[in-house]
Amino acid sequence: ETGVTQTPRHLVMGMTNKKSLKCEQHLGHNAMYWYKQSAKKPLELMFVYSLEERVENNSVPSRFSPECPNSSHLFLHLHTLQPEDSALYLCASSPLTGPYGYTFGSGTRLTVV
Amino acid sequence: GESVGLHLPTLSVQEGDNSIINCAYSNSASDYFIWYKQESGKGPQFIIDIRSNMDKRQGQRVTVLLNKTVKHLSLQIAATQPGDSAVYFCAGQFGNEKLTFGTGTRLTIIP
Repeated sequence: ETGVTQTPRHLVMGMTNKKSLKCEQHLGHNAMYWYKQSAKKPLELMFVYSLEERVENNSVPSRFSPECPNSSHLFLHLHTLQPEDSALYLCASSPLTGPYGYTFGSGTRLTVV
Repeated sequence: GESVGLHLPTLSVQEGDNSIINCAYSNSASDYFIWYKQESGKGPQFIIDIRSNMDKRQGQRVTVLLNKTVKHLSLQIAATQPGDSAVYFCAGQFGNEKLTFGTGTRLTIIP
């Protein structure tokens, strides 16, 4: 257990479904991140939240919608996904001031059918 | 900006031998580096870090070497064990900027 908890661990959804991924940390960190990890590709940063405000959105399609209601929780709402969105979605958190490393969750393995 | 890259996508090492995983970075101003280990079905786990004012840092069976002259970082794992089989990532950071991750090296330990 790393201190960052992601649920669910696995998710299979149809292209017309709506689902949400959840991330929770109690490390006292004030920055949270969503990453996408596809096979044989580097980690792709999707969103960054700092003090509950979105500070970065790396050209992510609108079918992915993040939400950060407080500094401990981060959600990724999914709707009308495509099969190419199948991947491991990782949440991470960190302190605001560096240098520092990120603490990652175990990820949600998403399969879009 | 920063870019970080690993030299080899895969590496196979005999159990008990030492392994070395190499990484290069582009931003000479990067001042912090981390190695992560990612086992199958898990997220990346912190292994060891090093700041730019150091050349070497040792942990338990792991050593990170930093050569700022050639902008090169390496992770050495001594006496490899089956549990060392995983994907290893290096990451670099400048100040409070985001971590930049390299592509991973898949280390396979041969029994």
